[in-house]
Amino acid sequence: ETGVTQTPRHLVMGMTNKKSLKCEQHLGHNAMYWYKQSAKKPLELMFVYSLEERVENNSVPSRFSPECPNSSHLFLHLHTLQPEDSALYLCASSQERAVYYGYTFGSGTRLTVV
Amino acid sequence: AQSVTQLGSHVSVSEGALVLLRCNYSSSVPPYLFWYVQYPNQGLQLLLKYTSAATLVKGINGFEAEFKKSETSFHLTKPSAHMSDAAEYFCAVRGSQGNLIFGKGTKLSVKP
Repeated sequence: ETGVTQTPRHLVMGMTNKKSLKCEQHLGHNAMYWYKQSAKKPLELMFVYSLEERVENNSVPSRFSPECPNSSHLFLHLHTLQPEDSALYLCASSQERAVYYGYTFGSGTRLTVV
Repeated sequence: AQSVTQLGSHVSVSEGALVLLRCNYSSSVPPYLFWYVQYPNQGLQLLLKYTSAATLVKGINGFEAEFKKSETSFHLTKPSAHMSDAAEYFCAVRGSQGNLIFGKGTKLSVKP
């Protein structure tokens, strides 16, 4: 049990579908992150939320839309994705972006776009 | 700008042999450095971290890493590999925005 739970673990979606990834943490952290992990590529930071406000958006296409309704929950809404968006999507959390303590990661959602 | 280079995308060792995974960093600020491990179908788990205290850092599962400023390195070692160490290992450095910047990862295989 990592303290960060991601659902679903696996998702297959068509290019015209709309789906959402969910992340939940019970660690009392107030910063949350979405990372994309593709084969043979470094982990890519997509979005950062600190105290429920988006503080970073690394040139991510608009077909990815994050939402952070409170400090415990983070969503990634997906629509009209492309096959190259197939990847492992990882959620992480930390205390006040205090990198000193490192991040706690969830187990990820394996997304396949067909 | 901060960056991390992990030398070798794949390392193979025999069970009981020394594990050495290499990481070199570039940082314009005092570096915070981390090693994470990822087992198949799981997220990343923190192994150890360097945050400007002792240069030799001990982590979980018998791993340790030494911060060498002169070499801009933070290599991960374990004296004796175990089959359960087979996983992918990521080195990371603190970015200027406070976020973590990861290397491409090194996949460790352990042969019986």
